[in-house]
Amino acid sequence: EAGVAQSPRYKIIEKRQSVAFWCNPISGHATLYWYQQILGQGPKLLIQFQNNGVVDDSQLPKDRFSAERLKGVDSTLKIQPAKLEDSAVYLCASSLNRQGYGYTFGSGTRLTVV
Amino acid sequence: DQQVKQNSPSLSVQEGRISILNCDYTNSMFDYFLWYKKYPAEGPTFLISISSIKDKNEDGRFTVFLNKSAKHLSLHIVPSQPGDSAVYFCAASDPHSGGSNYKLTFGKGTLLTVNP
Repeated sequence: EAGVAQSPRYKIIEKRQSVAFWCNPISGHATLYWYQQILGQGPKLLIQFQNNGVVDDSQLPKDRFSAERLKGVDSTLKIQPAKLEDSAVYLCASSLNRQGYGYTFGSGTRLTVV
Repeated sequence: DQQVKQNSPSLSVQEGRISILNCDYTNSMFDYFLWYKKYPAEGPTFLISISSIKDKNEDGRFTVFLNKSAKHLSLHIVPSQPGDSAVYFCAASDPHSGGSNYKLTFGKGTLLTVNP
C-alpha cells in the first residue's frame, strides 16, 4: 500500500510571502489531517477533514491559513502571508477513522520563513 | 494547556537493556492511547496503542502499560536495539472531541538513544 505523499519536502520563503503544501492520502482513507510540528514540540492539529468536509479547524489561524480537500482525496494547505513563527514541519496524515487504529503520516514539509 | 505530557526530553540506554518511556495526561475523557516513533526527516509511525479498558498491551518487544488512576502510561522496549533510536511521541484520543472523528493530542516527545 502506498503511503501518504506530501510535497514539497522543503521550502524556504521570506515573511509575508505565500506558500502551499500538497497532500495525497492513502487510497480509501476518508479522514485527512494537517498537523503543525514546531521544533521541540509534538504535532498540533490544524485541520481535520472527513471526505471533503471540515470536521475540526478550531486551531487553524484562519486569518492566514486555509485548506481544502476537493473531491475528498488530495488536499492543499496554504499560508498567506507567512510569519516567522510559521517555521515548522507540516505533516499530513490520513486514517480509516477507527479508534486506536492510528494515523499514517506523510514525511512532512519543512517550512523555513526568513 | 498541555493535556499530554512527556516530561523527559531524552533518554539514553545500552543495547540489550530495557527502555522505559513515560507519559502523563490530564484529560480523564481520553479513552485511547497511542505511541508513535519518529526518525529524522520522516513522519511519525504508529507503534502500539491501548484502550482505556485495558492496563497492558504487548506487541513483540514493545509493551504499553496504562495506569488510569494515576493518568500515566509507559512504553517498555525490551531488549532495546540501536535501530530503536528515535523520537517517541505519546498521543491520546478523546471520543468527545468531534463526534466519531478521533482527534489525537500529542506530547512533546522523548528522544531515545540506544547505544551499541
